[in-house]
Amino acid sequence: GEDVEQSLFLSVREGDSSVINCTYTDSSSTYLYWYKQEPGAGLQLLTYIFSNMDMKQDQRLTVLLNKKDKHLSLRIADTQTGDSAIYFCAFMDTGRRALTFGSGTRLQVQP
Amino acid sequence: EAGVAQSPRYKIIEKRQSVAFWCNPISGHATLYWYQQILGQGPKLLIQFQNNGVVDDSQLPKDRFSAERLKGVDSTLKIQPAKLEDSAVYLCASSLRKGATTEAFFGQGTRLTVV
Repeated sequence: GEDVEQSLFLSVREGDSSVINCTYTDSSSTYLYWYKQEPGAGLQLLTYIFSNMDMKQDQRLTVLLNKKDKHLSLRIADTQTGDSAIYFCAFMDTGRRALTFGSGTRLQVQP
Repeated sequence: EAGVAQSPRYKIIEKRQSVAFWCNPISGHATLYWYQQILGQGPKLLIQFQNNGVVDDSQLPKDRFSAERLKGVDSTLKIQPAKLEDSAVYLCASSLRKGATTEAFFGQGTRLTVV
């Protein structure tokens, strides 16, 4: 099964860029995802990348995929206080056809 | 478009009691998932339905957890009897078809506290 690791916490100042990292073990996933979870809320899909891509940009979000190192990252440009949340990387378990999540990175944005 | 609805939002019970959670997926979504999210961890899949059939329940503690999806629409997840370690947020998600996780939508979850 998939083993996914994320750092627990990241603190940045408003206006700076944030980079949230994720490492994984199973390279068979077709899709790799980033989800956002705000307090008391469900999971919101932010963006995803196909495994045959290296990079995807979506407004302030940039996803980088390094398949050789099994490393996925999410960069948030011009980070705002509203970006404060927990961010999860997730992979589709190709055997079970369901999402496997990392443990989450709590992003704190200081004004 | 209405989202995934879950109820109740919060539940506090004593250990050894039973509890049930309800989920109404997005209309037309064939696949329904129940996830358990323990504080400080990522969500873990408990069970996956395709219409009214179980696709994967390998992670469901079947001695105490049960789930059903009658008529392939609403679903209920039950815990009987509850243990302290069952304290978690239970998230329901739905997607249009099996494996189409780019289209998976999550409800707000039910926060269960077992005391």
